[in-house]
Amino acid sequence: SQTIHQWPATLVQPVGSPLSLECTVEGTSNPNLYWYRQAAGRGLQLLFYSVGIGQISSEVPQNLSASRPQDRQFILSSKKLLLSDSGFYLCAWSVRTSGGVGQYFGPGTRLLVL
Amino acid sequence: SQQGEEDPQALSIQEGENATMNCSYKTSINNLQWYRQNSGRGLVHLILIRSNEREKHSGRLRVTLDTSKKSSSLLITASRAADTASYFCATAAMDSSYKLIFGSGTRLLVRP
Repeated sequence: SQTIHQWPATLVQPVGSPLSLECTVEGTSNPNLYWYRQAAGRGLQLLFYSVGIGQISSEVPQNLSASRPQDRQFILSSKKLLLSDSGFYLCAWSVRTSGGVGQYFGPGTRLLVL
Repeated sequence: SQQGEEDPQALSIQEGENATMNCSYKTSINNLQWYRQNSGRGLVHLILIRSNEREKHSGRLRVTLDTSKKSSSLLITASRAADTASYFCATAAMDSSYKLIFGSGTRLLVRP
């Protein structure tokens, strides 16, 4: 069965510090991978998606970047965190099919920038 | 950008009653999906309805899709206290990215 891992679960970082959040998927190959951010009490905003190794699409201009060094690994990074980067970050995957497949989400990382 | 907009933003019902949530969207879609999120947790995929489908059932869930009105509804029948959560609709892009655009969600409270 497929599973998705995200860590850490919670992170408190000072403004200006770097960030690296990792997401890995097991039990599938060549998935589409996604990073979302959710502000408190709000819906999800798509930040990045990847359809293959080294292929990253950015949805919104921001202080973050993403990389996909391996097929089942997706990393969200920042060189210098801002207060506005605080939020709940969720990784998701889907496998390409002709009919479209629902995305499956990791447990998320709650980031607080102070 | 926001694609799906849920209505109502919050809903409080008694256990055993039915809960109906609505979603409207703006552009052409490949499919529409509903997700559930318990407080502070990841999202759980509930049901997917393709653009050429009008109604779909899964257990106590019933989803309808009206592409002419660009709207969808999620009905939860015989609600339980455990159904308390936020529910989100999301529309899937027409291209091969399968990226989703989420609405702002409906917070459902089922009182025991």
